[in-house]
Amino acid sequence: DGGITQSPKYLFRKEGQNVTLSCEQNLNHDAMYWYRQDPGQGLRLIYYSQIVNDFQKGDIAEGYSVSREKKESFPLTVTSAQKNPTAFYLCASSTRGPGHYGYTFGSGTRLTVV
Amino acid sequence: KNEVEQSPQNLTAQEGEFITINCSYSVGISALHWLQQHPGGGIVSLFMLSSGKKKHGRLIATINIQEKHSSLHITASHPRDSAVYICAAAKLNYGGSQGNLIFGKGTKLSVKP
Repeated sequence: DGGITQSPKYLFRKEGQNVTLSCEQNLNHDAMYWYRQDPGQGLRLIYYSQIVNDFQKGDIAEGYSVSREKKESFPLTVTSAQKNPTAFYLCASSTRGPGHYGYTFGSGTRLTVV
Repeated sequence: KNEVEQSPQNLTAQEGEFITINCSYSVGISALHWLQQHPGGGIVSLFMLSSGKKKHGRLIATINIQEKHSSLHITASHPRDSAVYICAAAKLNYGGSQGNLIFGKGTKLSVKP
């Protein structure tokens, strides 16, 4: 079945370390997204990519980095520069082009800084 | 003011009750999404609407483009419907990139047996 796989589900990181969250999709979607979710807040966009080798910053990109070397993969690195990295991270993908977009979401990664 | 507002924030219902969750938005949109998030965190897309009404099982979603308002209804609610329901607006020309979503903060629904 097609879908999005995020791994790991839970991740613990020591303060000052970089950590990379994985997101893979087999839906042949062009666009991929990373969102952050904090308690009591809506999802906020970190980075998105519409095509391979291209990506744009979202509203809260500071302290994060991404790459899009393959259509299927859009890993997110949480760097030590991110001041408050403990959060729930969701990856999503969508079709791209004129008209309406069907989104598929992953199951998320909960990152805790210890 | 948030561009996408949901109400209520929290909702407790008895099994069998008819439930309505509301979503208002202040921006031009290409579509409005309703999503469901279970306690584990994963999100499932329920509906994508650009006009009118859609139905899937006991779930009904409506949208009024002129009033910039959408509702999600659950008929004959059941404890397994307990989840957070999120509306998200696909904003026209957001960041020059079509397909980006502006999310409401979610409505936490708890259905008691």
